[in-house]
Amino acid sequence: AQSVTQLGSHVSVSEGALVLLRCNYSSSVPPYLFWYVQYPNQGLQLLLKYTTGATLVKGINGFEAEFKKSETSFHLTKPSAHMSDAAEYFCAVSDPYSGAGSYQLTFGKGTKLSVIP
Amino acid sequence: NAGVTQTPKFRVLKTGQSMTLLCAQDMNHEYMYWYRQDPGMGLRLIHYSVGEGTTAKGEVPDGYNVSRLKKQNFLLGLESAAPSQTSVYFCASTDRGRYQPQHFGDGTRLSIL
Repeated sequence: AQSVTQLGSHVSVSEGALVLLRCNYSSSVPPYLFWYVQYPNQGLQLLLKYTTGATLVKGINGFEAEFKKSETSFHLTKPSAHMSDAAEYFCAVSDPYSGAGSYQLTFGKGTKLSVIP
Repeated sequence: NAGVTQTPKFRVLKTGQSMTLLCAQDMNHEYMYWYRQDPGMGLRLIHYSVGEGTTAKGEVPDGYNVSRLKKQNFLLGLESAAPSQTSVYFCASTDRGRYQPQHFGDGTRLSIL
């Protein structure tokens, strides 16, 4: 079974500082990985995804993530935090063994990012 | 393009009451999902559907039923609501393929008193 671990349920950074949100996964097959963002009282929006090819993936709003197979990691970064980045972030892995080819995602428990002025 | 639309957005129920949450998508997606989100628990899959007329159980199906009579709609029912079902419910849909992202609605906030 797939699993996703997000280190730190809450991360605080100062405005302009580097954002680093950690995600480690377990998968017995090459993983497809996703980062989603959830703003207050909204649904989840796709930030970026890794499928195959280039291991450094760029997403929306200046975020990027690097797939490191040897470390089973897919950490999310942004060079300079903005106040508008305050939200909850979820890492997810596509589960190849989900029932009837149902393309289920296994989500981490989320990391809430606070940005301090 | 509306994407995934959930109705209602908020609802308060009394214990034992029943209700149905509606999810509609306009992207012609085959696959649809219902999740619940609770603090510190992430998203947990309740039920899913791989096509019109099909449904299957997810991780936490007890106390819920679903139906997918039309491809664009996925209904989640609570037959006898319990306080433990107080949560935020999200619907999502996706196209075929592991590389496809899921598209989410804005959620239904449900309180059971």
